[in-house]
Formats: sequence, C-alpha cells, structure tokens
Amino acid sequence: QKEVEQDPGPLSVPEGAIVSLNCTYSNSAFQYFMWYRQYSRKGPELLMYTYSSGNKEDGRFTAQVDKSSKYISLFIRDSQPSDSATYLCAMRKRTSGSRLTFGEGTQLTVNP
Amino acid sequence: DGGITQSPKYLFRKEGQNVTLSCEQNLNHDAMYWYRQDPGQGLRLIYYSQIVNDFQKGDIAEGYSVSREKKESFPLTVTSAQKNPTAFYLCASSIAQGSYEQYFGPGTRLTVT
Repeated sequence: QKEVEQDPGPLSVPEGAIVSLNCTYSNSAFQYFMWYRQYSRKGPELLMYTYSSGNKEDGRFTAQVDKSSKYISLFIRDSQPSDSATYLCAMRKRTSGSRLTFGEGTQLTVNP
Repeated sequence: DGGITQSPKYLFRKEGQNVTLSCEQNLNHDAMYWYRQDPGQGLRLIYYSQIVNDFQKGDIAEGYSVSREKKESFPLTVTSAQKNPTAFYLCASSIAQGSYEQYFGPGTRLTVT
C-alpha cells in the first residue's frame, strides 16, 4: 500500500469553478505538507507549504491539513485556464531529513 | 539567472547501453536529488546527496549510479542493469537537509528501445 494516495483524475472544470484536490496518507510520522504544480513536460514548482493542521491561504489557493484524519486538500478559487497542470502533494517526516514522499499527482484542466 | 539545468531534454538509447544524465545547479544548494516519474507512480526517489562526495540510495536505486564530485553537479548514470529505464527523470536541489522546498530542473525524457 502506498504511504500517500492521490486521485490521478483527470479532473476537468469550467473557468471560474472552485477546484478541490485531495491526498490521504497512512503514516502519522508525516509532519510537513506541500503542494507542487507541474505544467506539461516541465519540472514541478512549489505552490504551498504547511506543517500544522488548519488552513493556509495564498491568493486564490488554500491548503488545508487535517492530521487527525490524515487528509490534506488544496482548493483553487476562481480557477483559470492557466491553472491547468498536474498537482502533486508531497510530505516529509520529521526524521527523514529532506526526503519527500509524493502522491502520484492529479491532472487538472480548466476549460475557458 | 539561478536555477537547475538538465540536459539533454530528450535522450534515446539502445537497450544494453549505459547513459548519463546531466544535472547542474547554480543556486549554491548543498542537497541534490534524482527522481523518476512514471504515469500512475508519481515521483520516486532514486538517489540523493546532502553534501559533496556523499550520497545515499533512495527508494529505487537498483540499476542507477551517481557521483557528487562538485557541489553544483550531480550526474545520474542509468546502467544496463535497470530493467525498465524509459521514464521522465527529474533532478532537484534544496538549500540543506531539512529544507522543505526542493527546486526542480526541467527534466530529461529517456527512451530506451
């Protein structure tokens, strides 16, 4: 069983929709949570980072962590065609140095 | 401009040949990583290095080798022992151990036939 599960999609929404992307994890040792965005045939780039339960907002993006349920989410408000990409969740354990464990990514398309 | 460069973007090899993928960074980062990305698998860690002349195996190191002779360079060799080498390979770096942000290069797509 994978330590981090992420629905690969694909997910297709109309422009302006609210998008919800989710990951679940099985190991409570994960303490730090990230969302990366990857455009087609490019390297991923860090979008959001959080280490505590609750919400963190950055513009149209909100990262939510629920450690009791081992569940993290990324919400995108007023989605734009430029948001079309693959979104990867990533997690790190306190004792694993800088090693990250990634979900498989969700492919999102925002249609104009 | 600071960043990570990977070359070439596309690489084709015949089965049985070793091939080396280049990764260079000018961010002055101590740690560097190699990942493999396959459909349905996400990113899987091959090798990582936290300091020059030192590196550790990741989750799928079999059939791969690395070196870290210089801080800015971390080449990956895909050997003929790697049973399924066709994949998208990503190099990343971070400031130091424990840093949460990894900066990724543009990737190299390797096709072995």
